[in-house]
Parts: sequence; structure tokens; C-alpha cells
Amino acid sequence: AQSVTQPDIHITVSEGASLELRCNYSYGATPYLFWYVQSPGQGLQLLLKYFSGDTLVQGIKGFEAEFKRSQSSFNLRKPSVHWSDAAEYFCAVGARYGGSQGNLIFGKGTKLSVKP
Amino acid sequence: DGGITQSPKYLFRKEGQNVTLSCEQNLNHDAMYWYRQDPGQGLRLIYYSQIVNDFQKGDIAEGYSVSREKKESFPLTVTSAQKNPTAFYLCASSQQGFGYTFGSGTRLTVV
Repeated sequence: AQSVTQPDIHITVSEGASLELRCNYSYGATPYLFWYVQSPGQGLQLLLKYFSGDTLVQGIKGFEAEFKRSQSSFNLRKPSVHWSDAAEYFCAVGARYGGSQGNLIFGKGTKLSVKP
Repeated sequence: DGGITQSPKYLFRKEGQNVTLSCEQNLNHDAMYWYRQDPGQGLRLIYYSQIVNDFQKGDIAEGYSVSREKKESFPLTVTSAQKNPTAFYLCASSQQGFGYTFGSGTRLTVV
């Protein structure tokens, strides 16, 4: 079955520390991978996406993610966290298929808290 | 600028009432989606539409209805059959394979 797992429900890091949020997926086809961020009471904003090519992708707000096919992972990283990064982060997987096969599958999210 | 507009931002429903949440996009996207979000449960798909005049049930369609008469619009009706409608509702649109663009959400509360 197709699925996305974000093992960490809640992570707390100190401001200025590095961050890694984990995402593992199970998907039958070559995946398209996404990370979204959601601030409280807001919609989801796209941070970055991987379709093909270089497995290290850069996104907005200083985030990057690395696609590791052998590990079925797409972990999100940031070298130095800012207080404004506190939010919930969602990993998603999909494919460029027609119809419902192209629908994104979302993980349950990781809530990030930042200590001053 | 192109985007998705959800309205209203806050909505209150009395017991037994139907309410309709609006979702409009000017991105010329073919597909549109409705999700429900509850604390700790992530995003759950209610309905989706890949093309005008066609839509499909998602994982939690019971108590909800939709229409897709125009490409730009995908309203969601929360019917009285939905016994626990208090939640945050998100609308999204996409062109196949390019990820979703989300609206800013509607918070529905039963009073």
C-alpha cells in the first residue's frame, strides 16, 4: 500500500541549532516528493519538491531535502533554525498520473517547536 | 496574482443545519480537493475533482457533498448528516504532478 510516514510527531530544537525532519514513503512508482509547512490557522505552503535529477533539492526559507531511493526517504533539513520556523511540516508523495493515481498522499505531520 | 480563495475564514453552524464552504481558484488548475484537518490526524481527503462536472469520494465523504460546475469553483456542503463537523477545512488545486496549492482554510464550529 502507498503510504508516507513521519516518525516524529513533535520535535523541539533550540534556535540556531540544526534540524532534520524525517520522511519515509512506500510507493509503487517513481515518486514525486514534496514538503509543505503550515503555520497555525493557515493553509499549507510548499517548501520544496523533488521530481527528478539532483537528489538534493533546495527550497524556500533556507530548507533543503535529500531524496534517498535506497532508503525510501526524503528528509528535510535546515542548518540553523529560526524562531519563525515553528510550525507543522508535512511530507507528501505523488506521481504524474492521470486521475486519482496522481493524488498526493500526505504524512500525518511533524510539529516543530523552537526554544529561544 | 493567482491563488485559491476560501471563504469564510470562520463559520458557525447550528445543529441540524447545512452549511457551504466556498473555494475558488484562478490558477487554471484542472484538479481540486477538499481536506479535513483535526489535531493530530493530519489531512483527510473528503472529495476531489479531476475535471469539471466530475468528482470522486475521498476517505471520509460521509456527511459531505460537493459540486464542480465550473473549473474555478469547488464548493463543499457540510450536511446535517455529518455528526462531528467541527474542524479546519482546506481546499487545494493542482495540475497533475506539480503538487498542490492550498487555500488558507475555513474553521467550522458547531454551536
